[in-house]
Amino acid sequence: DQQVKQNSPSLSVQEGRISILNCDYTNSMFDYFLWYKKYPAEGPTFLISISSIKDKNEDGRFTVFLNKSAKHLSLHIVPSQPGDSAVYFCAASATGNQFYFGTGTSLTVIP
Amino acid sequence: DAGITQSPRHKVTETGTPVTLRCHQTENHRYMYWYRQDPGHGLRLIHYSYGVKDTDKGEVSDGYSVSRSKTEDFLLTLESATSSQTSVYFCAISGGLAGEVNTGELFFGEGSRLTVL
Repeated sequence: DQQVKQNSPSLSVQEGRISILNCDYTNSMFDYFLWYKKYPAEGPTFLISISSIKDKNEDGRFTVFLNKSAKHLSLHIVPSQPGDSAVYFCAASATGNQFYFGTGTSLTVIP
Repeated sequence: DAGITQSPRHKVTETGTPVTLRCHQTENHRYMYWYRQDPGHGLRLIHYSYGVKDTDKGEVSDGYSVSRSKTEDFLLTLESATSSQTSVYFCAISGGLAGEVNTGELFFGEGSRLTVL
């Protein structure tokens, strides 16, 4: 049973516009959330994280929003660049030991 | 970049044969993980370790065993490989130095592609 869900398998965005990637979770015990970016034939790389005591965390062009009541988080990329084209995974943890990942969203930024 | 290497990077084997994948880290991190990535499933945790000889099961542990005899090495073994274990396997490490609280950020290896015929 998937505890972390990314319902959009793919997303296409024009260069310079905003990319919004969504993630939902079912376990109310999750208290730490992360986003990873993955290029083909490479391992995922950490992008940004947020703890449940916050509702927003920003790092350059990347902002993660957390809505605990809706059990929903989103990643905003502004402005989107062609190099952002990759698969994005959200992940969640309750204990800090086990991390549950979503199925991923493939982002294509069109030049 | 975190010093984490996986071997072999590619392997083709036959059903019923044993397979061992190795993950080696040079960061002295306490936590080590094995994930598998499959289309439509994302990344799923197989087993993880929180110290030497300390391991625990993840979401999809059936058919897999692990061992960690040294801080730097985490082995994943398929005792008798099946076609359903064809996948890309990723090792990850996290946490500060051994003994510190897990900070939660995972660093991944480049993956090992396993094909079971």
